[in-house]
Amino acid sequence: GAVVSQHPSRVICKSGTSVKIECRSLDFQATTMFWYRQFPKKSLMLMATSNEGSKATYEQGVEKDKFLINHASLTLSTLTVTSAHPEDSSFYICSASLGQNYNEQFFGPGTRLTVL
Amino acid sequence: GQNIDQPTEMTATEGAIVQINCTYQTSGFNGLFWYQQHAGEAPTFLSYNVLDGLEEKGRFSSFLSRSKGYSYLLLKELQMKDSASYLCAALDSNYQLIWGAGTKLIIKP
Repeated sequence: GAVVSQHPSRVICKSGTSVKIECRSLDFQATTMFWYRQFPKKSLMLMATSNEGSKATYEQGVEKDKFLINHASLTLSTLTVTSAHPEDSSFYICSASLGQNYNEQFFGPGTRLTVL
Repeated sequence: GQNIDQPTEMTATEGAIVQINCTYQTSGFNGLFWYQQHAGEAPTFLSYNVLDGLEEKGRFSSFLSRSKGYSYLLLKELQMKDSASYLCAALDSNYQLIWGAGTKLIIKP
C-alpha cells in the first residue's frame, strides 16, 4: 500500500528556533500533500494544502510566514516552523494523495513538537 | 456552515458489537471517510463510502445515507486493540475533508 514517512518523529527545541519537518511518500508520487496539526483530544486541523511545484494554499488563520511549506518534488514536502514558541507545541501530521481530487489520504506517522 | 457531529466517547465490551454514528452537513458531498487513530499516532484509513448502503470489510462495516446526511461505523467482535479514536470526515464539493472531533472508543474486558 501507499506509505508516507515523516521525520523527525519527535523534536524538542528552544523557543525562537526553527524546526523543519519532512514528509515523504515512499512508494508513490503524491500530487498533493496536506499538513495538519492536532491538539490533545481534538480533531485534525488542516493547516495547508500543497501541490508539487506551486505555492501552498493556507487555511484561514494559519500564518504562512510562520509555517513555511515547500513541496519541491512529487515525493517530498517540508514544513518549517519558524521562530517556534511554546504555543506551537503540537502533533503535526502530513498526508499525501494520489491526485488533486482524491478519495483517500495516506497519513504519515506524525511529528510531536515540543517547544520549551 | 459545515459540520460533522459524532459522539465524544463510547464504551463497549470485548467481543461485543458497537455502532459509532456520524452526521454531516457540508457544501456538496463527495464521500465520507472513517479513520482509526490510536493515541499518539496518525490516523489510518478504515473506509470510504460515496454511495448509499453498507460496505463490509472484515469486522468493520460502514454505512451511508446521503439523503439523511448520516453514516455509521459498525465494529463487530470487539478486541482490546480496537480501543482508539474513530474519526469521521466528509469530502465537500471542493474535495476538502471536513473532520469530526472523533469518538473515543473504550473497550472493557
